[in-house]
Parts: sequence; C-alpha cells; structure tokens
Amino acid sequence: RKEVEQDPGPFNVPEGATVAFNCTYSNSASQSFFWYRQDCRKEPKLLMSVYSSGNEDGRFTAQLNRASQYISLLIRDSKLSDSATYLCVVPLSGGSYIPTFGRGTSLIVHP
Amino acid sequence: SQTIHQWPATLVQPVGSPLSLECTVEGTSNPNLYWYRQAAGRGLQLLFYSVGIGQISSEVPQNLSASRPQDRQFILSSKKLLLSDSGFYLCAWSTGGTDIQYFGAGTRLSVL
Repeated sequence: RKEVEQDPGPFNVPEGATVAFNCTYSNSASQSFFWYRQDCRKEPKLLMSVYSSGNEDGRFTAQLNRASQYISLLIRDSKLSDSATYLCVVPLSGGSYIPTFGRGTSLIVHP
Repeated sequence: SQTIHQWPATLVQPVGSPLSLECTVEGTSNPNLYWYRQAAGRGLQLLFYSVGIGQISSEVPQNLSASRPQDRQFILSSKKLLLSDSGFYLCAWSTGGTDIQYFGAGTRLSVL
C-alpha cells in the first residue's frame, strides 16, 4: 500500500455542485494532515489543516477518519475558481519533518 | 512576515551543463528547508531536506546535490544535467514546531 493515495480524477463538476475527495494514508501514527491547492504551473499553497476534530473554512470542510485512515475534503457550492489540483499531505510520523504528498486530485468546475 | 524567494523562474539548459538553483527565506530563523521536483503531470518528489546549516539529507539518489551555506539559504546543484532532470523545482520551508510547509514560486527547468 502506498503511503498516501489519492484518486487523480479529474472530477468534472458544474458550478454550485458539492464535491468530495478522499485521501488514504498508511502510517497510523500520523498526527497532523493537510490539504494543499495547486493551480496549473504554480506552487502548492496550504488550503487547510486537518485535525482530529475536523476543520471547516467557509465552503470547505476537511475531516479525518482515523479508524479507516483517510482524510476528506468537501467543497460546497463549487466556483469556477475552485478548479485546481488538491494535494493531501501526511507527515511520515508524528513530529517528523518529512511530509509525504499525495499525487493530487484534479478538479474542474465548469459553467 | 515570512517570505521565500526562489530563482530563476524559468531555465533552459543543455544536457551536460551545470545547475545552481537558489532559495532564500526571510522573516524566520532555523527553518527546515526542502527541495522538491515535480515532473509534468506527476506528484511532488522530495529530493533533499535540511534541519540546519550544513545538514543535508537526501531522499533520492541522483546526480543532484544540495547545500545550506547559511541558515536561510538552500542551494540545489548539479555538475552535469541529464534530460531526466527536467521538471518543476520547488523549494519549501517549515518551522520546527509544525509540519506546515510554505513553497517558493518554483523554477521550471528544461534540459535540452
């Protein structure tokens, strides 16, 4: 099993739709998780941190399912500007400074 | 506030030529520093990371090397570039107390 796995997509959704991505990880000791957004030909930028209690920021909700070892990102009321690749990040273990990036899930929001 | 600078933005180099990419961080001290490569349509591959001056760990054996001559400076080098070295090179930093990374704007390298 790969350390971090994501469905590459693309997820092709209309404006206003709700879309969710999952990211599975293999290291059960991981403590903190992140979602990054990467626009085409740009650097990744932090979107959200994901902690045990989950996290919500406007239209974005991130949750952690520790028992099944996956994190999720839910986007409500999709906008054209949400089109990007979404990367999940899992440190190798608690306190480690070596993160493992998923390969990303591509989202395309169309009019 | 903290900022990270990476240059050049774009680079075209012939096979066999040397490489030097520089990354500097401002507004923080003793950051963890990272070099990644992203091939077209692929994920981020961690190349090197550093937790302090002169301390470099390599994740992938290859013809690249990294150095950290100063606390907030990280350099990626090669003596002879290969075609397979083409890609998007990203520098990132994080503080010791968090796993959150912040990326530079990247260098797009084409080896011809």
